[in-house]
Amino acid sequence: EDQVTQSPEALRLQEGESSSLNCSYTVSGLRGLFWYRQDPGKGPEFLFTLYSAGEEKEKERLKATLTKKESFLHITAPKPEDSATYLCAVQAASNTGKLIFGQGTTLQVKP
Amino acid sequence: DTGVSQDPRHKITKRGQNVTFRCDPISEHNRLYWYRQTLGQGPEFLTYFQNEAQLEKSRLLSDRFSAERPKGSFSTLEIQRTEQGDSAMYLCASSRRDRVDGYTFGSGTRLTVV
Repeated sequence: EDQVTQSPEALRLQEGESSSLNCSYTVSGLRGLFWYRQDPGKGPEFLFTLYSAGEEKEKERLKATLTKKESFLHITAPKPEDSATYLCAVQAASNTGKLIFGQGTTLQVKP
Repeated sequence: DTGVSQDPRHKITKRGQNVTFRCDPISEHNRLYWYRQTLGQGPEFLTYFQNEAQLEKSRLLSDRFSAERPKGSFSTLEIQRTEQGDSAMYLCASSRRDRVDGYTFGSGTRLTVV
């Protein structure tokens, strides 16, 4: 069964304290791995898509990487406005529509 | 491009009542998806449409749930005889068929069954 597990469930950082979020997955043929940001009371906002092991993508203070079993979202020198829930999702090669999400990591960055 | 719109944003209903939610996708997107998200969890897939055809339904979608997308434009999700366990955020998303990239999500409809 296709599955996504994120860790930690919650993370508290001081402003400027870099860290990483983990997303472990098992899927029958990966078509794509997605990272989203979700603010309270809002829908998920797309951040990155990764397609193959070794791929990396960056956006401001965020960098996403992908291996055959997991993905990391690295946050460098975070700011309070980076506080949100970060969701990881996979799309299987055998499926053309459905995303399977992890439970998310809630990040709080204190000034 | 005005994004994905969902209506209403919030709905409080009594147990046993029927509710209907509406989603208006991005106009050039021919795929539309419904997800459900409970507190502290990631979204769970419910169903999706390509144009007006409903191509997949999750086992989570009991007989009390029905979704339609007439004419391949907006979509409605109806829940009949609501139960307290139906309380959740119902998210709609849309995408272009030829794009594997992530969908665009709406802001969701928060349902509370009392």
